[in-house]
Amino acid sequence: EDKVVQSPLSLVVHEGDTVTLNCSYEVTNFRSLLWYKQEKKAPTFLFMLTSSGIEKKSGRLSSILDKKELFSILNITATQTGDSAIYLCAVAGGADGLTFGKGTHLIIQP
Amino acid sequence: DAGVIQSPRHEVTEMGQEVTLRCKPISGHNSLFWYRQTMMRGLELLIYFNNNVPIDDSGMPEDRFSAKMPNASFSTLKIQPSEPRDSAVYFCASSLQGDQPQHFGDGTRLSIL
Repeated sequence: EDKVVQSPLSLVVHEGDTVTLNCSYEVTNFRSLLWYKQEKKAPTFLFMLTSSGIEKKSGRLSSILDKKELFSILNITATQTGDSAIYLCAVAGGADGLTFGKGTHLIIQP
Repeated sequence: DAGVIQSPRHEVTEMGQEVTLRCKPISGHNSLFWYRQTMMRGLELLIYFNNNVPIDDSGMPEDRFSAKMPNASFSTLKIQPSEPRDSAVYFCASSLQGDQPQHFGDGTRLSIL
């Protein structure tokens, strides 16, 4: 059975701090890893990673994949209160569709 | 462009009633997914369709749950009879293909009393 584990489950930091969110996975026939941000409503897509060692970047957010060690990290630098959300990691592997982790609940305090 | 559209946004009903959730995927997307999200279990895939055909329904909790996709622009998730433990937010998502980024609807918050 495909498995995606995120850590930590919850994180509270001050504005301006840098955070690193972790995602490890065990899937058959890995195809891609995706990160989503969920605020009050639906998850919104952040990154899709398919190759090891290539960093994807969008503003203060960046992510990298290690297919040998089977994990990915999502970094957020100079955090702002608007970064407060649940960050979801999902992996495409095995049959079609995505397996989601339980998410990291990030709270940025002013 | 319109995103994934779900209805209703919020439903409260008594246990034993039939509940029908509706979803209109993004036009041109070939894959449609139904998820359930709770605090305890996170986001769980219930069923997904590819080109209107159900591919994997192993996540459907039990026979009380059923899903249909009669055409490329509409899908329903039905719970009959509903139970309090079905209370959750139900999301519909669509993508161009099964493992491509999925676009989520705003969800239906379901409360079964």
